[in-house]
Amino acid sequence: GAVVSQHPSRVICKSGTSVKIECRSLDFQATTMFWYRQFPKQSLMLMATSNEGSKATYEQGVEKDKFLINHASLTLSTLTVTSAHPEDSSFYICSSFTGPYEQYFGPGTRLTVT
Amino acid sequence: GQNIDQPTEMTATEGAIVQINCTYQTSGFNGLFWYQQHAGEAPTFLSYNVLDGLEEKGRFSSFLSRSKGYSYLLLKELQMKDSASYLCAVRKRGGNTPLVFGKGTRLSVIA
Repeated sequence: GAVVSQHPSRVICKSGTSVKIECRSLDFQATTMFWYRQFPKQSLMLMATSNEGSKATYEQGVEKDKFLINHASLTLSTLTVTSAHPEDSSFYICSSFTGPYEQYFGPGTRLTVT
Repeated sequence: GQNIDQPTEMTATEGAIVQINCTYQTSGFNGLFWYQQHAGEAPTFLSYNVLDGLEEKGRFSSFLSRSKGYSYLLLKELQMKDSASYLCAVRKRGGNTPLVFGKGTRLSVIA
């Protein structure tokens, strides 16, 4: 299957700082990337959809000024958590698809805000 | 919106068969997916159904009834390594639509 990478895999930051998470499609061009968040023992919640060369679409309740998404190329999408707070600590996963029924996930980024 | 329901937890014995059910309500259905997720890891794709019926892949099978808004994942010959969360997800019709996930079913396989 297709490969999606994420960096970093784990990050610990102090409250009030910003953290950037990179998501790359390694062997296909991802015109669309989905960003999910997962709290412990809960399911994946869609945060936003990023499209290459245009603004991201955010789900209801997700602050677009806090979670900045950039999709500047067909292989890279980034999520920046600005002014992070402990409640932003979560598992962030990006995902893209190569066909109508083939969606692949990155390995995820564990963010801990202290 | 979509409403996806699946049991929170299940326990089954090694070597047995377990069926994990999923019901959904959505407008513009375009496929139902099952993913496996181990703790601390990203989901891995198991199967998808877009037409009614049973899809079999080795020890895993998935069934879909679109008229009933119902799917199940069947795991045969359970192994300890099958202990994980199993996520049911639905895709709506349209271009570039994301998967919407249910809350997941945590399966514990015991000896």
